[in-house]
Amino acid sequence: GQQLNQSPQSMFIQEGEDVSMNCTSSSIFNTWLWYKQDPGEGPVLLIALYKAGELTSNGRLTAQFGITRKDSFLNISASIPSDVGIYFCAGLINFGNEKLTFGTGTRLTIIP
Amino acid sequence: DGGITQSPKYLFRKEGQNVTLSCEQNLNHDAMYWYRQDPGQGLRLIYYSQIVNDFQKGDIAEGYSVSREKKESFPLTVTSAQKNPTAFYLCATRSTGLSGANVLTFGAGSRLTVL
Repeated sequence: GQQLNQSPQSMFIQEGEDVSMNCTSSSIFNTWLWYKQDPGEGPVLLIALYKAGELTSNGRLTAQFGITRKDSFLNISASIPSDVGIYFCAGLINFGNEKLTFGTGTRLTIIP
Repeated sequence: DGGITQSPKYLFRKEGQNVTLSCEQNLNHDAMYWYRQDPGQGLRLIYYSQIVNDFQKGDIAEGYSVSREKKESFPLTVTSAQKNPTAFYLCATRSTGLSGANVLTFGAGSRLTVL
């Protein structure tokens, strides 16, 4: 099955730094979702994007739906220890399509 | 967990044995999904069901089976035919209503280890 290209694969940052990650695809998507997964737990939805060019914030998190519909990025400002985890993007090609395509994840580690 | 209960959390199995993972939801969502997660990889779809008594194969259905006899329940059986069953298994649901459309809600996962 298709998977999105998500980068970087891993990030090592210091507390307080800003974080940026992105997902790209050769296909056009109509929905982009960003999830965070803590170790040993299921992913939790952070932000959902439904329109090209849409910029949505959720606290320190900001995500954008690329204007070409083939990419999306997630920014985290002023990182804190609880931001540690794996971040996944997911895309949906058509409304009514039952299958989301997931990125391979970005593992975020905060260096003390 | 948000209304999705997966059990057991941890499961050990000997080679050649079938094992069934439970997924129960009280969100009244129509669609349910099973994903497999391996280290360093994204989520891969095993099976999904849009309605009771109906389900479709995902990208990696070989060696797995499911049933959907009730709206609330979507159990996954990992059969002995699955060559590499050790993985983290995630169940998810999706509302088909307009609010929050296309958003998956995940359970806490079940980790299966084959000894």
